[in-house]
Amino acid sequence: RKEVEQDPGPFNVPEGATVAFNCTYSNSASQSFFWYRQDCRKEPKLLMSVYSSGNEDGRFTAQLNRASQYISLLIRDSKLSDSATYLCVSHNAGNMLTFGGGTRLMVKP
Amino acid sequence: GAVVSQHPSRVICKSGTSVKIECRSLDFQATTMFWYRQFPKQSLMLMATSNEGSKATYEQGVEKDKFLINHASLTLSTLTVTSAHPEDSSFYICSASSPSLISNQPQHFGEGSRLTVL
Repeated sequence: RKEVEQDPGPFNVPEGATVAFNCTYSNSASQSFFWYRQDCRKEPKLLMSVYSSGNEDGRFTAQLNRASQYISLLIRDSKLSDSATYLCVSHNAGNMLTFGGGTRLMVKP
Repeated sequence: GAVVSQHPSRVICKSGTSVKIECRSLDFQATTMFWYRQFPKQSLMLMATSNEGSKATYEQGVEKDKFLINHASLTLSTLTVTSAHPEDSSFYICSASSPSLISNQPQHFGEGSRLTVL
């Protein structure tokens, strides 16, 4: 079993739609979590941190449920520019990052 | 701040040759640098971790004699793919970290280097 698992998608949604991605992790000792965005043939870029209390950054909302070892990302009012692969990432001891396989999002006009 | 530059961005080489990829932290001192590899439609997989002045720690299944990592200074790490073969074709990405920056973002990524071995 992979340490961080995501539905690979692709999620095809129209502009303006709300879309949610889920992620599960197996290492209960993981210290913190992040969502990264990766465009085709580019490096991953930090989108946002994930907190148990939930955190929001504009159209993006992330949530962590430690009891269920589950992480989510909600994108509201999808834009064409949101099309990318979204990576769920756990931060572990030794400043190590473990990446999920990524969920591909395609926003269509 | 916290910019990491990787060079070259793309390289094409013949089978059997060696290729060196550089990773530089431009505006901070990186005590630790990480090297990842990403095959098409797969996620980033950690290859090795290097601390300045120390030997790199390789992940299981990564050949240390094939993927030579040098981290001689706090701003530069290099990855040399020796005797490259077509199966080594991949997207190689480095990242750098500093204790003073971890609270904001644990690692800062370079732009990646796409290696194609003919």
